[in-house]
Amino acid sequence: EVQLVESGGGLVQPGGSLRLSCAASGFTFSSYWMSWVRQTPGTGLEWVATIRQDGSANYYLDSVKGRFTISRDNAKNSLYLQMNSLRAEDTAIYFCASGGNTAFDFWGQGTLVTVSS
Amino acid sequence: DIQMTQSPSTLSASVGDRVTITCRASQSISSWLAWYQQKPGKAPKLLIYKASSLESGVPSRFRGSGSGTEFTLTISSLQPDDFATYYCQQYNSFSRTFGQGTKVEIK
Repeated sequence: EVQLVESGGGLVQPGGSLRLSCAASGFTFSSYWMSWVRQTPGTGLEWVATIRQDGSANYYLDSVKGRFTISRDNAKNSLYLQMNSLRAEDTAIYFCASGGNTAFDFWGQGTLVTVSS
Repeated sequence: DIQMTQSPSTLSASVGDRVTITCRASQSISSWLAWYQQKPGKAPKLLIYKASSLESGVPSRFRGSGSGTEFTLTISSLQPDDFATYYCQQYNSFSRTFGQGTKVEIK
């Protein structure tokens, strides 16, 4: 059974940093592009970042470029999102998802990030 | 960025009804479109990819069609488990974009 389990969310002040993790199991993680997608009541679903299978290419939403970094460790079947210089508008539920070069096949349950003073 | 516009935003229907949701892209995306179903407090679930290909395990009452800029998701006979919010998403270009969602409610 495919499982994606996010962790690392929480409350952070504006300008702060947070690192999200996603533990993958039930599929050959190293064979899949992986992505982060976020959701807020106001803006709906929003793609954030995607990384190629071997980590050789990354793609980002314009508003997070230079602040967020997507990475992966195929030996640990894990995906990461380092978020720096956080803003109130980054407040959302962050989902880890397989895919991104095509559709998003499987999704984790999400982790809530709240940026507030 | 490619804008995705869904209609309607909300749809009231009864069990057994045929339901159609429309998604329009601001420019041609060929057939690079997916549909997702999301229930409250849950992650989205992939239903359809490449505009009309049914994801494994998804009931055949779900059908996707269209190409270019106009796409539809049809549920042939609405079931109690289908009351949810549906999103379209394009993957023709990076960055990927989603429609704003269509909530299917019980009439």
